[in-house]
Amino acid sequence: DAGVIQSPRHEVTEMGQEVTLRCKPISGHNSLFWYRQTMMRGLELLIYFNNNVPIDDSGMPEDRFSAKMPNASFSTLKIQPSEPRDSAVYFCASSPRMGGNTEAFFGQGTRLTVV
Amino acid sequence: GIQVEQSPPDLILQEGANSTLRCNFSDSVNNLQWFHQNPWGQLINLFYIPSGTKQNGRLSATTVATERYSLLYISSSQTTDSGVYFCAVIALDSGAGSYQLTFGKGTKLSVIP
Repeated sequence: DAGVIQSPRHEVTEMGQEVTLRCKPISGHNSLFWYRQTMMRGLELLIYFNNNVPIDDSGMPEDRFSAKMPNASFSTLKIQPSEPRDSAVYFCASSPRMGGNTEAFFGQGTRLTVV
Repeated sequence: GIQVEQSPPDLILQEGANSTLRCNFSDSVNNLQWFHQNPWGQLINLFYIPSGTKQNGRLSATTVATERYSLLYISSSQTTDSGVYFCAVIALDSGAGSYQLTFGKGTKLSVIP
């Protein structure tokens, strides 16, 4: 398996623009997570899905952020409008199932810079 | 929510030295993972270890769930071991009603030749 695939790897955009990050989980995995990593706050869970349904979005910072999972093999994280403080590395991860006894695997991340 | 603390925050080793990284967590957990974030930012799974001891080459990990800690041992360190080591726990967040994978702040390891 190719692992969790994220695109793009790097994104530079101007403040106010819409940004869409994409993720393809490992085939057969039922849970998908979006994390954000910054120097100040470390790795933070933004939202996670189980069987394409959002289970917990309490980590989404504000209404400018939205995430969708239209099918089992694809998810998007959208920021509209983007702001400089959104600059971070965004990771997607997947695991075989929801619950405690499961191992998560991460994609290579998308480094977002908002200028 | 659950708190995950890692120590030390920074560690500098001479190549060939051994080290122990520690992860303490504040509540019962269902599972625990160790990751290595390499200098390119990639998060690599090292261990999936809810309890007991596992070994993989020069690395080994021990989790004592009843005492709420886990240890990562690195023996005969190499420059390629440099990076940040994260501990992450999976626990039920009763407020959210869902399981969460919560990360510690990591230990930054620098191995010098």
